[in-house]
Amino acid sequence: QSVLTQPPSASGTPGQRVTISCSGTSSNIGDNFVSWYQQVSGTAPRLLIFSNNLRPSGVPDRFSGSKSATSASLTISGLRSEDEADYYCATWDDGLSGWVFGGGTKLTVL
Amino acid sequence: QVPLVESGGDVVQPGKSLRLSCAASGFTFSQYAFHWVRQAPGKGLEWLAVISYDGSRKYEAGFLNGRLSVSRDNSKNEMYLQMTGLRHDDSAVYYCARDRGLGMGPPSIVGLEVWGRGTTVVVSS
Repeated sequence: QSVLTQPPSASGTPGQRVTISCSGTSSNIGDNFVSWYQQVSGTAPRLLIFSNNLRPSGVPDRFSGSKSATSASLTISGLRSEDEADYYCATWDDGLSGWVFGGGTKLTVL
Repeated sequence: QVPLVESGGDVVQPGKSLRLSCAASGFTFSQYAFHWVRQAPGKGLEWLAVISYDGSRKYEAGFLNGRLSVSRDNSKNEMYLQMTGLRHDDSAVYYCARDRGLGMGPPSIVGLEVWGRGTTVVVSS
């Protein structure tokens, strides 16, 4: 049971916009930056967003992040078949003095 | 050239110990913090530990109850994970990952930007 709550699944059709939520508390999301990761089946995770809304070089601008109070969101615009993957949010938890991942959201492109 | 390569994964008996290694190349190892993250079959990502750029700060997941120890050798461009008292539920793919920051506390633990391909640990009698 993760301290960060994500919906287990999400779906969309090509071209659509999809938003994945991540809910936390004042001791994690509320007080720290959020990052997002994409994991395509059988591969290592990839950093998509850091510091709530910044993209590393090479990540398309179709991916965007936001944070408000104790929740964060990842939005994927112009959905593509290759976006089908698991997505994880993560942040620091002050109470645990450690990094925490959300449980992950499996995105299906219909 | 793969920036991070994990090694040391094996099939081990319950109760035994294991040391995993993460070898880095292609960048200045001593300028970054590094993490260990694991993923059990069919499960999500589970953070284990982070070590600061100079090794002076370490943060380790509490649920492991002291069975884990992270270290690094900047002269060798390597990071290590020592695990003791291995249990069946420690079976997983273990990843090392480079942070964007120095790892000197939360503001400089920014995000896991570069990942290795993982090494597999199976705990079985």
